[in-house]
Amino acid sequence: EAGVAQSPRYKIIEKRQSVAFWCNPISGHATLYWYQQILGQGPKLLIQFQNNGVVDDSQLPKDRFSAERLKGVDSTLKIQPAKLEDSAVYLCASSLDRLSGELFFGEGSRLTVL
Amino acid sequence: DQQVKQNSPSLSVQEGRISILNCDYTNSMFDYFLWYKKYPAEGPTFLISISSIKDKNEDGRFTVFLNKSAKHLSLHIVPSQPGDSAVYFCAASPGGGADGLTFGKGTHLIIQP
Repeated sequence: EAGVAQSPRYKIIEKRQSVAFWCNPISGHATLYWYQQILGQGPKLLIQFQNNGVVDDSQLPKDRFSAERLKGVDSTLKIQPAKLEDSAVYLCASSLDRLSGELFFGEGSRLTVL
Repeated sequence: DQQVKQNSPSLSVQEGRISILNCDYTNSMFDYFLWYKKYPAEGPTFLISISSIKDKNEDGRFTVFLNKSAKHLSLHIVPSQPGDSAVYFCAASPGGGADGLTFGKGTHLIIQP
């Protein structure tokens, strides 16, 4: 069974530029999550989707971050414009449904903002 | 405000001995707790979980203990093996699933040969 796929693995941009990350969850997983992990911290939830609907985006900085999951399968997370403090690993995870606490994580996309 | 706290950034244990990783939480609404393991350059992987109706859950070499009155849980690994060297994250949620899942900062476990 293929795992959660993320791209790109690494991205370096200058502040005020934009960046987009892509995630393809495990086939059949209805719930998709984007987490931000800053160095030395635990993962912090940015947004949670159930199929193509948003369940929780309370911690998403909506002035610069956006995410979509249009067909209820893959998802894109965008940052525009990026700030220095956005340097982090962006982790995508999926689960069969919201009742399952067992999340399957991708390898992450490491963003460096200069 | 850290609702899930892992106060030991790192822990070094000899191979074959017991590793004990600790986690404290402050939110009384949390009723489902999980441990994730993370190797460098990989995403976290689920290890073991426990719901608040239990005080112990065991899976092979891994056992999680929950003390609700103290708002404390611990992960025991016996015996510790070199492949256990990783960062361990404690996580908690209020609804029995992954909604509102909050992670601690992690503990880096190093198994010494």
